Amino acid sequence: DAGVTQSPTHLIKTRGQQVTLRCSPKSGHDTVSWYQQALGQGPQFIFQYYEEEERQRGNFPDRFSGHQFPNYSSELNVNALLLGDSALYLCASSLAAAGGNQPQHFGDGTRLSIL
Amino acid sequence: GDSVTQMEGPVTLSEEAFLTINCTYTATGYPSLFWYVQYPGEGLQLLLKATKADDKGSNKGFEATYRKETTSFHLEKGSVQVSDSAVYFCALSGLNTDKLIFGTGTRLQVFP
Repeated sequence: DAGVTQSPTHLIKTRGQQVTLRCSPKSGHDTVSWYQQALGQGPQFIFQYYEEEERQRGNFPDRFSGHQFPNYSSELNVNALLLGDSALYLCASSLAAAGGNQPQHFGDGTRLSIL
Repeated sequence: GDSVTQMEGPVTLSEEAFLTINCTYTATGYPSLFWYVQYPGEGLQLLLKATKADDKGSNKGFEATYRKETTSFHLEKGSVQVSDSAVYFCALSGLNTDKLIFGTGTRLQVFP
């Protein structure tokens, strides 16, 4: 039973560039959430996708956008990268039919470094 | 808005010592409460959860009780092991959402 998988594991970009991160949810899950974890901090919610639409969004600028595909996998795109975007980006999946307050299953994350 | 406050770390203990990591929350209504653990270089793993007042979550010797009157969800373990060394995050999710709000994390270091 495959868990949440993310790619790539590490990425180095420069300021102003654009980046795309990818996530495959745990088998049987249909909802994907993205979190940003700065060094030494707790994860911060970016947004959540369900049925290929953004369902909820945290306090992140429009430079952060996403997509969900029919197979439930998801991408996180960040444009015009800033030094402050350096962080671990975590993907989490869950099953919408199970109702709210369900535990989310996390991937190992993508470490993004901006030079 | 909703928030979670955790005790600052690191918490340094000898093997077999008793562990408490404090967590308090502010939320509208009755959130669900979680403890997640993050080992070096890895993502977060759910450790335990509680969904209503007075519920006790438990797993791998860890426990936490949902205390509505003190808005707390403190993590405890009677006898820690070196392998418990990790960062522990307290989190909540509100009614009808599984969006998680995390505390800043508490690093636990256990020495033999």
